[in-house]
Amino acid sequence: EAQVTQNPRYLITVTGKKLTVTCSQNMNHEYMSWYRQDPGLGLRQIYYSMNVEVTDKGDVPEGYKVSRKEKRNFPLILESPSPNQTSLYFCASRYGGGPYEQYFGPGTRLTVT
Amino acid sequence: AQKVTQAQTEISVVEKEDVTLDCVYETRDTTYYLFWYKQPPSGELVFLIRRNSFDEQNEISGRYSWNFQKSTSSFNFTITASQVVDSAVYFCALSTTGGFKTIFGAGTRLFVKA
Repeated sequence: EAQVTQNPRYLITVTGKKLTVTCSQNMNHEYMSWYRQDPGLGLRQIYYSMNVEVTDKGDVPEGYKVSRKEKRNFPLILESPSPNQTSLYFCASRYGGGPYEQYFGPGTRLTVT
Repeated sequence: AQKVTQAQTEISVVEKEDVTLDCVYETRDTTYYLFWYKQPPSGELVFLIRRNSFDEQNEISGRYSWNFQKSTSSFNFTITASQVVDSAVYFCALSTTGGFKTIFGAGTRLFVKA
């Protein structure tokens, strides 16, 4: 089954404790992206990757890091989480840029206290 | 700058009513792509439709229809004879040439009451 998986699905952590949210897709997609969803703001793009070792900032990259060492994986790293990073995070993949629709993971709800 | 505006934050209708969700976009690119996604209460995001900037033909898929008008920079979504299962948050999104960045609107939450 074609899918995007994220782990963990739920995470409660404390300010400053480094964490990683993993994302993996099995569709051999070149393009992957991370979004955060906040009430009233919709989905905002954090980082995206066009291929292995190629990443770029989205609209809200501050406080986040990413890496793309393998085509299937695109982890999101919060080196020093803060309460304003409490949000619902989605990973997505697509075949390529432009007209291709995105396939989303199930979401990770992160709470930073 | 690119922008997507969904001015309707929440809409509430009674089952079988028709409802239109508005989407207005801004871009200077001549080639771009518009999308609608659905987020039901379970939380996943589901792709509904894609339109490219050169194709202004409206589309109908069952009870769903989409009206794309470049003259008004709008890409509106109509649900005919709404059902309770249509209750969800609907997002309009814009992807431009090269298309690696995607801009989403704030979403419209639709409540369909039985």
